[in-house]
Amino acid sequence: KAGVTQTPRYLIKTRGQQVTLSCSPISGHRSVSWYQQTPGQGLQFLFEYFSETQRNKGNFPGRFSGRQFSNSRSEMNVSTLELGDSALYLCASSLDGRNYGYTFGSGTRLTVV
Amino acid sequence: QQQVKQSPQSLIVQKGGISIINCAYENTAFDYFPWYQQFPGKGPALLIAIRPDVSEKKEGRFTISFNKSAKQFSLHIMDSQPGDSATYFCAASLNRDDKIIFGKGTRLHILP
Repeated sequence: KAGVTQTPRYLIKTRGQQVTLSCSPISGHRSVSWYQQTPGQGLQFLFEYFSETQRNKGNFPGRFSGRQFSNSRSEMNVSTLELGDSALYLCASSLDGRNYGYTFGSGTRLTVV
Repeated sequence: QQQVKQSPQSLIVQKGGISIINCAYENTAFDYFPWYQQFPGKGPALLIAIRPDVSEKKEGRFTISFNKSAKQFSLHIMDSQPGDSATYFCAASLNRDDKIIFGKGTRLHILP
């Protein structure tokens, strides 16, 4: 079966711009989580969506937002980009949270210049 | 309280040897401890997971040992192979939510 698909794979943006990243979960999975991965901070939880509702949120500023559509596809948006937002953004899907195991996509590499 | 501390940062092991990665946590409310494996250019993949009511769990060459009183857990990779070369993350999560808190990772290199 198809895995978790994230688009685009690579992105270069300028400081101050905004960006939207997309995640298509495994068919049938209703939970989608987003993580930021950087060399310094490692993997940090951004938020989780389940059936179009944000179920959990990490400690990121309000510039980071997300949403989930009725087909479980999810998008995350970062407004007013800062240099420190350069990272690998990973999406993970699950049937319903951790007890069913998360499958990660390969990520979107965002570079802010 | 929400941190998971992982060591070592990097590890070099001879082919056929045992690779050992250690993690420690503070929050006793954590009740789920997964390990993830990540290859370059890929997202992390769930390797094996354990709950605190079990002291050891084995899947093939991978074993998690869990010490609840010491608040420590470790991953042992037996008969390590060059294909095991990757970054390994220990993690933990609370019962009341599905947020996974990751350690900083261990870069493992198996010498052929």
